[in-house]
Amino acid sequence: QSVLTQPPSVSAAPGQKVTISCSGSSSNIGDSYVSWYQHLPGAAPKLLIYDNNKRPSGIPDRFSGSKSGTSATLGITGLQTGDEADYYCGTWDNGLSVWLFGGGTKLTV
Amino acid sequence: QVQVVESGGGLVKPGGSLRLSCAASGFTFSDYYMSWIRLASGKGLEWLSSIDTSGHTRFYADSVKGRFTLSRDNADNSLSLQMNSLRADDTAIYYCARSQAMWELPGRLDSWGQGALVTVSS
Repeated sequence: QSVLTQPPSVSAAPGQKVTISCSGSSSNIGDSYVSWYQHLPGAAPKLLIYDNNKRPSGIPDRFSGSKSGTSATLGITGLQTGDEADYYCGTWDNGLSVWLFGGGTKLTV
Repeated sequence: QVQVVESGGGLVKPGGSLRLSCAASGFTFSDYYMSWIRLASGKGLEWLSSIDTSGHTRFYADSVKGRFTLSRDNADNSLSLQMNSLRADDTAIYYCARSQAMWELPGRLDSWGQGALVTVSS
């Protein structure tokens, strides 16, 4: 069981919007920055969001991130079938001195 | 462009050792932290270890502490993961990732390799 909790799966129709939550604690999300990663089958994982809400160059603005207290959220609008992937949140835990990933959320479009 | 390429994966018997390498190009290697992450079949991403720019500070996940050793060669733009006392549950795809800050905040893993498959089986 992961220290960061994500829903195992979410689904929505093409063109719709979906949110993926990531719940942690005061020693990780509450005391650090959250990043989000997309893992398409057979591909290298890709950074989608960093510093809670920033997008790397090349990531469309359909992807957004937010953080409040000890939870973070990834939002995806205008869903496309190509967005079907596993999504992971990640952050440093200052109490444990380890990097944490959430358990991952499988998105079905 | 930024590229990290893993090598050294393969089949190893339980209790055996394996050394993974990661070759970096397209960026100033010595300016970045580096990390290893793995993905076992049916499971999620698992962070294993990160190293700072100088190689003096490293952190490990409890699952590999004492068995795996992370090192870097800034002159050669390379990262290595020495894996000893391997177990069946170490079977996974191992990814090398360029990293930023990590424990010095804010951390992120911003460029990942394609991965190297490690299979531990008799």
